[in-house]
Amino acid sequence: NAGVMQNPRHLVRRRGQEARLRCSPMKGHSHVYWYRQLPEEGLKFMVYLQKENIIDESGMPKERFSAEFPKEGPSILRIQQVVRGDSAAYFCASSDREEDGYTFGSGTRLTVV
Amino acid sequence: AQSVAQPEDQVNVAEGNPLTVKCTYSVSGNPYLFWYVQYPNRGLQFLLKYITGDNLVKGSYGFEAEFNKSQTSFHLKKPSALVSDSALYFCAVRVGGYQKVTFGIGTKLQVIP
Repeated sequence: NAGVMQNPRHLVRRRGQEARLRCSPMKGHSHVYWYRQLPEEGLKFMVYLQKENIIDESGMPKERFSAEFPKEGPSILRIQQVVRGDSAAYFCASSDREEDGYTFGSGTRLTVV
Repeated sequence: AQSVAQPEDQVNVAEGNPLTVKCTYSVSGNPYLFWYVQYPNRGLQFLLKYITGDNLVKGSYGFEAEFNKSQTSFHLKKPSALVSDSALYFCAVRVGGYQKVTFGIGTKLQVIP
């Protein structure tokens, strides 16, 4: 079992470009979560998805950010027109049952230059 | 709303001594409580969880945590610290029936040889 796979591990984008972050959940897991980590701020919830459904996007900025978890393929977190403030580590996690802990991926470190 | 407080930014302990990393929570309902550990440039790893039952739960790498409902606390403990335990520790909470997990800001544990 390969666990939660995130790619790329590191992503550098110029201001104004688009960033696409991918996450393949652990086999058998139907719940996917995206978190953003900034130094001194801990992990901030962004969005919770199940297949083809956004369940909770209360942590997503209203503009430029979107997420999907299609029927086939990985979950995608998309950031349009990136700005320097988007630079952070973005972690994906998955789970199966409600009482289980999350399994995290290794993260994507986005740097906007 | 649910929240987690980790009152210490950093905890220093000598190798071989017992360690405690503090966590308090606030939820409406019965909490599911978790501890995770993060090593540099890595994702979070699950350590242990409390769902119901015995207030003292045991987890990976010799760690344990005690659920105290009256004090709304879930402190992480280990009888004898190792240098390799040095890492960032996150406490997390969710409410039953709701998948979103809220993380604390993290506590850096430094074990001194």
